[in-house]
Amino acid sequence: EPEVTQTPSHQVTQMGQEVILRCVPISNHLYFYWYRQILGQKVEFLVSFYNNEISEKSEIFDDQFSVERPDGSNFTLKIRSTKLEDSAMYFCASSDIIGPNQPQHFGDGTRLSIL
Amino acid sequence: AQSVTQLGSHVSVSEGALVLLRCNYSSSVPPYLFWYVQYPNQGLQLLLKYTTGATLVKGINGFEAEFKKSETSFHLTKPSAHMSDAAEYFCAVSDTPGGGYNKLIFGAGTRLAVHP
Repeated sequence: EPEVTQTPSHQVTQMGQEVILRCVPISNHLYFYWYRQILGQKVEFLVSFYNNEISEKSEIFDDQFSVERPDGSNFTLKIRSTKLEDSAMYFCASSDIIGPNQPQHFGDGTRLSIL
Repeated sequence: AQSVTQLGSHVSVSEGALVLLRCNYSSSVPPYLFWYVQYPNQGLQLLLKYTTGATLVKGINGFEAEFKKSETSFHLTKPSAHMSDAAEYFCAVSDTPGGGYNKLIFGAGTRLAVHP
């Protein structure tokens, strides 16, 4: 079964540094998402992306965050200047064409630790 | 705004016993509801979904859930727990039913422990 793959599985970064989290969505999917889960808290929506532009973003997704689909397969989340509170598990997800009948498929996540 | 409440952050059952994980939602439009499971150090795996039609939906690993509009509930059940069911379970509602982007709103999760 096709999978969403995320790399790296664990990223340790110094506060203030830039970090890029990478995702390869399922190949025929058109909608892409990032979520995060701070330890012990809910999974929270960050951003959705379709047709090479952001569809929706949450309040968490401020100017420090950006997303990009640099080629036909990768989908990246960049945090420009990391803060301690950015430490979390970040999940990438993708879904098929329009409609909730096509649920989101999640990767295994990247655990981001900011020191 | 839509929201999801999961009653009970931890549920413990004996192997072979009934599993019942509770989920209530709030939505101003007909909801699309999902249950996801997260095993340790893994991502979220879809268990089952309700979109339209039959209110009792069956998912993987013997789980099922019933959509009850009058109670705004979507509880997850399994008749007989197995040790391998130990995981965290998340109920979620789609924020834009019928729309293209389907932002998911998650509940806080319920950690299921299964003991011999």
